[in-house]
Amino acid sequence: ETGVTQTPRHLVMGMTNKKSLKCEQHLGHNAMYWYKQSAKKPLELMFVYNFKEQTENNSVPSRFSPECPNSSHLFLHLHTLQPEDSALYLCASSQDRLGTGRRTEAFFGQGTRLTVV
Amino acid sequence: AQTVTQSQPEMSVQEAETVTLSCTYDTSESDYYLFWYKQPPSRQMILVIRQEAYKQQNATENRFSVNFQKAAKSFSLKISDSQLGDAAMYFCAYREYNNNDMRFGAGTRLTVKP
Repeated sequence: ETGVTQTPRHLVMGMTNKKSLKCEQHLGHNAMYWYKQSAKKPLELMFVYNFKEQTENNSVPSRFSPECPNSSHLFLHLHTLQPEDSALYLCASSQDRLGTGRRTEAFFGQGTRLTVV
Repeated sequence: AQTVTQSQPEMSVQEAETVTLSCTYDTSESDYYLFWYKQPPSRQMILVIRQEAYKQQNATENRFSVNFQKAAKSFSLKISDSQLGDAAMYFCAYREYNNNDMRFGAGTRLTVKP
């Protein structure tokens, strides 16, 4: 148990559906991330939030829409996805303010396996 | 953008033996962090070990140790006395000192043979 919880664990959706992925962390961290993990490809960083503010958007298509209402919760809203969006979506959190001796690694949830049909 | 390269898609080791997984990275920064993560079939990414670039001493965590060569931008992971539970995907990751952006390699799938 890493302190980062993702729901649902599995999701199958049609291309016209709208769904949301949820991530919650109980570690008191103030940075949260969405990663996409596809077969035989490196983890792709999608979004980064620091103190609830989005600081990174790595050219992610607009059909993915993140939301971070507070430092403990992160959502990924999905709409009109494509079959190539099928992947494992991982949420992670970490502590900001590097260089202070605080832990610098990211803690990951177990991921949501998304299948777009 | 910084890149992380893991040149071994798959590795295999006999139980109780030692195996080394390779990782190289590209950066122009002098201060950064390096990590090895393990991802078993359960999909949970688990931190194995981390290294601060300013430290010359190689990090060690029980049976896991690294060989950090800063000039060569190399960061290999050595697993000693391999156990069946070590079988997993292993990812090398890089993170700048003052940046939350963490970059991962493509991973190495480790098989442990009984």
